[in-house]
Amino acid sequence: GQQVMQIPQYQHVQEGEDFTTYCNSSTTLSNIQWYKQRPGGHPVFLIQLVKSGEVKKQKRLTFQFGEAKKNSSLHITATQTTDVGTYFCAAFRDNYGQNFVFGPGTRLSVLP
Amino acid sequence: DSGVTQTPKHLITATGQRVTLRCSPRSGDLSVYWYQQSLDQGLQFLIQYYNGEERAKGNILERFSAQQFPDLHSELNLSSLELGDSALYFCASSVGGQGPYEQYFGPGTRLTVT
Repeated sequence: GQQVMQIPQYQHVQEGEDFTTYCNSSTTLSNIQWYKQRPGGHPVFLIQLVKSGEVKKQKRLTFQFGEAKKNSSLHITATQTTDVGTYFCAAFRDNYGQNFVFGPGTRLSVLP
Repeated sequence: DSGVTQTPKHLITATGQRVTLRCSPRSGDLSVYWYQQSLDQGLQFLIQYYNGEERAKGNILERFSAQQFPDLHSELNLSSLELGDSALYFCASSVGGQGPYEQYFGPGTRLTVT
């Protein structure tokens, strides 16, 4: 079946440092979505990537879809305490939106 | 506030019992998804409904069932509960139809089985 890994599982950074999490699939994907879940909260949609090699930016967050559409990354520049939470990728195998799996998540801690 | 509502917020019950979790999607959304999140774990997709019909099935146990009603709200029924069913259950909604759409998650129902 479809397998999605996220690395690292945990990351502790000092405020102001950069952070990157990777989402890797064993199969070619049609789309990738990223979600953020604050401690005690619910997942919140961040972005969707569709095209090979696509790069999207949201303020300090940069999202990239790999050329082979098997992996994606989320990079945060100059982390802030508000970035604390778990970042999940959701990997879609087709364009119908029914064949997907969430990655296990990367938990980010930011030390002030 | 995502616009998705879930009730109850908390539920404590005993092993062997049956519970029903309720979800109302965002206004205009036709798809509802159910997820299970155990303590400090990822999101396990259970099932998806679109406009009243089952659309996709994930790792949903036979003891669990769900449905989506004509007014689009959905219920997740968990029966013969076991200690391992203790978890946070999220409902999410999207506009639905063909194609991956962003999902809006509700605040969740925390189920504790004792």
